[in-house]
Amino acid sequence: GNSVTQMEGPVTLSEEAFLTINCTYTATGYPSLFWYVQYPGEGLQLLLKATKADDKGSNKGFEATYRKETTSFHLEKGSVQVSDSAVYFCALSRNTGNQFYFGTGTSLTVIP
Amino acid sequence: DAGVTQSPTHLIKTRGQQVTLRCSPKSGHDTVSWYQQALGQGPQFIFQYYEEEERQRGNFPDRFSGHQFPNYSSELNVNALLLGDSALYLCASSFRDRWYEQYFGPGTRLTVT
Repeated sequence: GNSVTQMEGPVTLSEEAFLTINCTYTATGYPSLFWYVQYPGEGLQLLLKATKADDKGSNKGFEATYRKETTSFHLEKGSVQVSDSAVYFCALSRNTGNQFYFGTGTSLTVIP
Repeated sequence: DAGVTQSPTHLIKTRGQQVTLRCSPKSGHDTVSWYQQALGQGPQFIFQYYEEEERQRGNFPDRFSGHQFPNYSSELNVNALLLGDSALYLCASSFRDRWYEQYFGPGTRLTVT
């Protein structure tokens, strides 16, 4: 089947620290991979995506590389800010666009 | 340009009742998907509508049904509510050819007592 596993939170970091949120997936075929972010009181927003192996998605200083050999799509940021505090969801879709599978989410709190 | 809107924001129902949630997609979008997000969990796919037809369905019982109107707006109906149906219900819209760019609404918080 199709599923996504994320590292459990919550994660608390100091401002300017390095961030990694692990995500691994199980899928049939070759899915597209996504990171969504949910800021407090807001809806989910697409943060970045990668549609094929070795692609790197990037946005707002965040990056993630689609690693087929390790079935992973880890989210990284070199220097987090207080404004990055949110819940981050890893997701996959099997390129039909019909169904997205989400992980359970990782809560990030950045303290000044 | 308005994004995805959902109504109502919050709703409290009693077990056994029926509920209807509404979604207006982002302007220009023709595809609407519904998700259920339980507290502390990721969204779970319920179903997707395109051209007024249900195109794909997740692992949800027939108590969950939907509809898409000619203007692309959509409704989610849940019959015979159970306590376990308490969750945040999210609507997401996209343009069919750019299915990977889903825009989510703020959700409707349903509480079943």
